[in-house]
Amino acid sequence: TQLLEQSPQFLSIQEGENLTVYCNSSSVFSSLQWYRQEPGEGPVLLVTVVTGGEVKKLKRLTFQFGDARKDSSLHITAAQPGDTGLYLCAGVPGYSTLTFGKGTMLLVSP
Amino acid sequence: GAGVSQSPSNKVTEKGKDVELRCDPISGHTALYWYRQRLGQGLEFLIYFQGNSAPDKSGLPSDRFSAERTGESVSTLTIQRTQQEDSAVYLCASSPDRDYGYTFGSGTRLTVV
Repeated sequence: TQLLEQSPQFLSIQEGENLTVYCNSSSVFSSLQWYRQEPGEGPVLLVTVVTGGEVKKLKRLTFQFGDARKDSSLHITAAQPGDTGLYLCAGVPGYSTLTFGKGTMLLVSP
Repeated sequence: GAGVSQSPSNKVTEKGKDVELRCDPISGHTALYWYRQRLGQGLEFLIYFQGNSAPDKSGLPSDRFSAERTGESVSTLTIQRTQQEDSAVYLCASSPDRDYGYTFGSGTRLTVV
């Protein structure tokens, strides 16, 4: 059973479109992190959300942490080809280890 | 250095040989993880070091895998008697604290032939 479920698994859109990807769990997390990974590279941290209901904005990216701290979403406005990559959510449930979802592969075509 | 450094970046080895992968974390980072990522897959947890505490080895897939870390410095991941299914990218990440975001290295791509 995957602790963090990400959806969709794959998303192919045109430049300028908006999109939302989701990260869901039945467990409570003290924080959730979002990373983007490009081919041949390690994941790069985008944001950490800590407080239930928190919303963080990073230019065209908006991250939200659910009120119950069990889920998170990433919304991208006016996607660009440079946004292409694998988007991963991760968190530490309880006193366990940092766990990753399987990711959402985003392809933005010009 | 400014980031997490991993070496070698690529390693091709023959089945049955031992390999050692190295990770230089960011100075001062007490938390260090090793993950394995197979082609097109997510990150599979291997081992976690936090300061001087006993490491969490619960993700190591077999006794052929082992890892060490001296204090808050370099970590090495050793795979003995490599098998073809060990072929993957091995990623190392470090952080100032377990709940902070992590900085990843670029990984070591291991190919067992």
